[in-house]
Amino acid sequence: GENVEQHPSTLSVQEGDSAVIKCTYSDSASNYFPWYKQELGKGPQLIIDIRSNVGEKKDQRIAVTLNKTAKHFSLHITETQPEDSAVYFCAASIGAAGFGNEKLTFGTGTRLTIIP
Amino acid sequence: NAGVTQTPKFQVLKTGQSMTLQCAQDMNHNSMYWYRQDPGMGLRLIYYSASEGTTDKGEVPNGYNVSRLNKREFSLRLESAAPSQTSVYFCASGRDRGPYEQYFGPGTRLTVT
Repeated sequence: GENVEQHPSTLSVQEGDSAVIKCTYSDSASNYFPWYKQELGKGPQLIIDIRSNVGEKKDQRIAVTLNKTAKHFSLHITETQPEDSAVYFCAASIGAAGFGNEKLTFGTGTRLTIIP
Repeated sequence: NAGVTQTPKFQVLKTGQSMTLQCAQDMNHNSMYWYRQDPGMGLRLIYYSASEGTTDKGEVPNGYNVSRLNKREFSLRLESAAPSQTSVYFCASGRDRGPYEQYFGPGTRLTVT
């Protein structure tokens, strides 16, 4: 089955600096790569996702890049703010095109701390 | 819209006891999922249901059973709880046609002593 590795497990950055979290996946058939943010005591929430036919996607301060050849994808957060402190999970899925009931394989998470 | 709701929020069981975790969604989603979250291991899929009346095993199904009661509700049952099942359990739901997002509930923190 699919295996997703995520690094680093913890990351501390000064407020205003950028943060980068990286994930690698094992199955070249994976075609959907979401990133979830989990705040303390809450369930994960989708913040951005990318499909295998796209190399980069941006949403305000958040961007995701995908390198299919190397089988890795990364989350970039610019101009970090205290509210960005949370645990971030990457995931990969081998769902059939056009069907949304994907089985996601998650990475082990990155605890991001923004230092004021 | 309440989204995905889970009950209870916290539970302590003794080894061998049974219990059912309840999950309901009001977004008219066909797909529903149960995950467990353990420190350093991310979220692992226990069971999922692609539509009402169907269920399938995920990565870690041993020791669990599920019931897709109707389109809204998907329950997870521990027949004989073990300390290894101490975890935080999340239910999620998703549409069966893009954009593939899964919506998570707030979780149930279960401790088995």
